Amino acid sequence: QSALTQPASVSGSPGQSITISCTGTSSDVGSYNLVSWYQQHPGKAPKLMIYEVSKRPSGLSNRFSGSKSGNTASLTISGLQTEDEADYYCCSYVGSGAVFGGGTKLTVL
Amino acid sequence: QVQLVESGGGVVQPGRSLRSLRLSCAASEFTFNSYGMHWVRQAPGKGLEWVALIWYDGTNKYYADSVKGRFTISRDNSKNTLYLEMNSPRADDTAVYYCAKDRCSGGSCYQFDYWGQGTLVTVSS
Repeated sequence: QSALTQPASVSGSPGQSITISCTGTSSDVGSYNLVSWYQQHPGKAPKLMIYEVSKRPSGLSNRFSGSKSGNTASLTISGLQTEDEADYYCCSYVGSGAVFGGGTKLTVL
Repeated sequence: QVQLVESGGGVVQPGRSLRSLRLSCAASEFTFNSYGMHWVRQAPGKGLEWVALIWYDGTNKYYADSVKGRFTISRDNSKNTLYLEMNSPRADDTAVYYCAKDRCSGGSCYQFDYWGQGTLVTVSS
């Protein structure tokens, strides 16, 4: 189970939008809609941000959205805020297991 | 509010079969026996790695290739507690170990809606 591929870092200014990609294969991201995204601040536990490719947990800001095309899933954050600065991880079901991406560090300039 | 509290981390010597470590995760504020539970780990300065899943009733268990045959996941629904027994530990098992609740009841959809605060396991002589 190879890790999903994410950019190591992305950055944006407050108010802007950014997109983080997550590339897998036809055995994981491309085959299932069980893609999720997690936000992790330093020293904290991860937090679920998106599940089933594009659904938001109750109470989560609609500034966060997800999508998928073929073997690549994407997380978009609009109206960037300073508190969005964190590490973001994608995750996909991969047949009796799960595989995470390597993580993307988001810097809000 | 759902609570997951891990314990049992510490320092364990590498590779010795008589040396093992058992992690625990105490769950509260949800119907524990209705949800699959996972262990996910994070090596220092590294990304997340899924480790293991146990179904809501304990009948099915799945493991990452990296721990298969060495780690055992279990649960006690009467105590609302999840466990991970780590045998034959290796240096690359050093990580913060998180327990995480599956979002879906019954089987598993491999999406983690609540996480504990983590417990650090260090494999070192």
